[in-house]
Amino acid sequence: GQSLEQPSEVTAVEGAIVQINCTYQTSGFYGLSWYQQHDGGAPTFLSYNALDGLEETGRFSSFLSRSDSYGYLLLQELQMKDSASYFCAYQAAGNKLTFGGGTRVLVKP
Amino acid sequence: SQTIHQWPATLVQPVGSPLSLECTVEGTSNPNLYWYRQAAGRGLQLLFYSVGIGQISSEVPQNLSASRPQDRQFILSSKKLLLSDSGFYLCAWRDRGLNYGYTFGSGTRLTVV
Repeated sequence: GQSLEQPSEVTAVEGAIVQINCTYQTSGFYGLSWYQQHDGGAPTFLSYNALDGLEETGRFSSFLSRSDSYGYLLLQELQMKDSASYFCAYQAAGNKLTFGGGTRVLVKP
Repeated sequence: SQTIHQWPATLVQPVGSPLSLECTVEGTSNPNLYWYRQAAGRGLQLLFYSVGIGQISSEVPQNLSASRPQDRQFILSSKKLLLSDSGFYLCAWRDRGLNYGYTFGSGTRLTVV
């Protein structure tokens, strides 16, 4: 079957580091994406990994291991505005993006 | 620059009534277009996608349908809404270049009563 698994919720304090893991199961895998969604808002694109390794974009980094069907999003120097839901999603054949259930990150002062 | 417009922002409809949600994209041509639905506190479920005018692929069999009458217009419809159709509907587009990110519209929160 096709699916993605990620933790449902993570809580951390300002300035901390949070790692959100994502495992997936699919055929015809092209790459793994991450999206951020604040309450009531639309998802916004954060990153895309097509190859194994770490991609860094400011305070956020994303990692992919294709052999392990695993990736993670690393949020560093957490800020209150980072409180949101984070979704991993894989790009597979057929121009489709399939999303995981999302991880709610709560940042406390 | 590219923009995506989706309306209305909120909608309350009675069971059995019709539905029409519209999405338009500006600043690009021949985009891939998508309709997703999100239940409260859940992930996004792909409903339909389109790679060109008149080309619609359905992911979830249900009482919803989609149409793409123009290159940058994507419409989600229903002839008779069900209570289970309530949710947050999001339109998205992706260009065919090396930009792998999907851009989402602001969404329509539909409540069927």
